[in-house]
Amino acid sequence: GDSVTQMEGPVTLSEEAFLTINCTYTATGYPSLFWYVQYPGEGLQLLLKATKADDKGSNKGFEATYRKETTSFHLEKGSVQVSDSAVYFCALSDQQGGSEKLVFGKGTKLTVNP
Amino acid sequence: NAGVTQTPKFRILKIGQSMTLQCTQDMNHNYMYWYRQDPGMGLKLIYYSVGAGITDKGEVPNGYNVSRSTTEDFPLRLELAAPSQTSVYFCASRLESPTGSQHFGDGTRLSIL
Repeated sequence: GDSVTQMEGPVTLSEEAFLTINCTYTATGYPSLFWYVQYPGEGLQLLLKATKADDKGSNKGFEATYRKETTSFHLEKGSVQVSDSAVYFCALSDQQGGSEKLVFGKGTKLTVNP
Repeated sequence: NAGVTQTPKFRILKIGQSMTLQCTQDMNHNYMYWYRQDPGMGLKLIYYSVGAGITDKGEVPNGYNVSRSTTEDFPLRLELAAPSQTSVYFCASRLESPTGSQHFGDGTRLSIL
């Protein structure tokens, strides 16, 4: 079945450092790809998404490009802030059976120190 | 902007007890989902619904039941609580769109002792 593999954390960075969180996927067909963010004590929030190959999703300084040839959707940010500390989940949409279901990676915890 | 509302936020159960986790959304979304989140394991789909009166099993349905009598509500029931069901439970909803994203509630933290 479909699956998502993302780099294990935790990741600890200093403020203004460059961030990359790797995500690769296995899927039949052409899934949509998502990054969700979970702040402490809260539910998941959509950060960005891409629905087809070579699409770039972006939001709040974060970017990710849908790479079909490498089956990847790596999350990047040029300069992280303390407020970016959270758990980040990569996910793909599984359209099998006529209903969209999300398949999540295990999450990567990011801590940004001042 | 209420979005997806889950109650309760926290609950402690004894083994063998039953309870219902409530989920309601005010966005008129047809699709609703229940997930459980275990430490270091991401989210696993328990049940989902594509509209009122229609539900289906996800990846980890054993020990749970759901119903969908209205578009707004999608309760999750635990009949005989077991320690393995200690987890954080999230409800989500989305529009019926091929590229629509899911909106999540804040979760219910459930401990079974």
